[in-house]
Amino acid sequence: GDSVTQMEGPVTLSEEAFLTINCTYTATGYPSLFWYVQYPGEGLQLLLKATKADDKGSNKGFEATYRKETTSFHLEKGSVQVSDSAVYFCALSRSDYKLSFGAGTTVTVRA
Amino acid sequence: NAGVTQTPKFQVLKTGQSMTLQCAQDMNHEYMSWYRQDPGMGLRLIHYSVGAGITDQGEVPNGYNVSRSTTEDFPLRLLSAAPSQTSVYFCASNDPGAYEQYFGPGTRLTVT
Repeated sequence: GDSVTQMEGPVTLSEEAFLTINCTYTATGYPSLFWYVQYPGEGLQLLLKATKADDKGSNKGFEATYRKETTSFHLEKGSVQVSDSAVYFCALSRSDYKLSFGAGTTVTVRA
Repeated sequence: NAGVTQTPKFQVLKTGQSMTLQCAQDMNHEYMSWYRQDPGMGLRLIHYSVGAGITDQGEVPNGYNVSRSTTEDFPLRLLSAAPSQTSVYFCASNDPGAYEQYFGPGTRLTVT
């Protein structure tokens, strides 16, 4: 079945550091790929998405590229801020009613 | 627009008790889903609905019941609570063909 594997946390960084969170997936066909973010005490919200191979999703300075050959969708940000402290989930979908999530990576950014 | 709302925010139950977690959305989305979030496991799909009167099971449906009598509401019932159901529960909704799901703020449930 479908599965998503993302790097384990927690990850602690200083402000302005470079952030990368690895995500790989197993799925048949061509799933859509997502990064969701969960800020403390809140529900999940979509950060970015990519629907086909070589697509790059981007939002709020975050980027991820859909790599079919390596089945990966790594999240990157060049300069993190304290406000980026959150839990980040990689997810995939092959239908419009079911998401398969990774375990989540907790990121803490220190001033 | 309130989006997706969930009540209660927190709940403590004793083993064997039953309760209903409420979920409502005001975006007229046809699809609604329930997930549970457990440490180290991400979110797992419990039940989902593709329209009023239509529900189906997800990955972890045992011990839960759902119904969808209106487009707006999608309650989740715990029939006889067990400690293994201690978790954070999220409701989500989306339109057909739109892969982005909108999530509620969650209900943190503890079963003792």
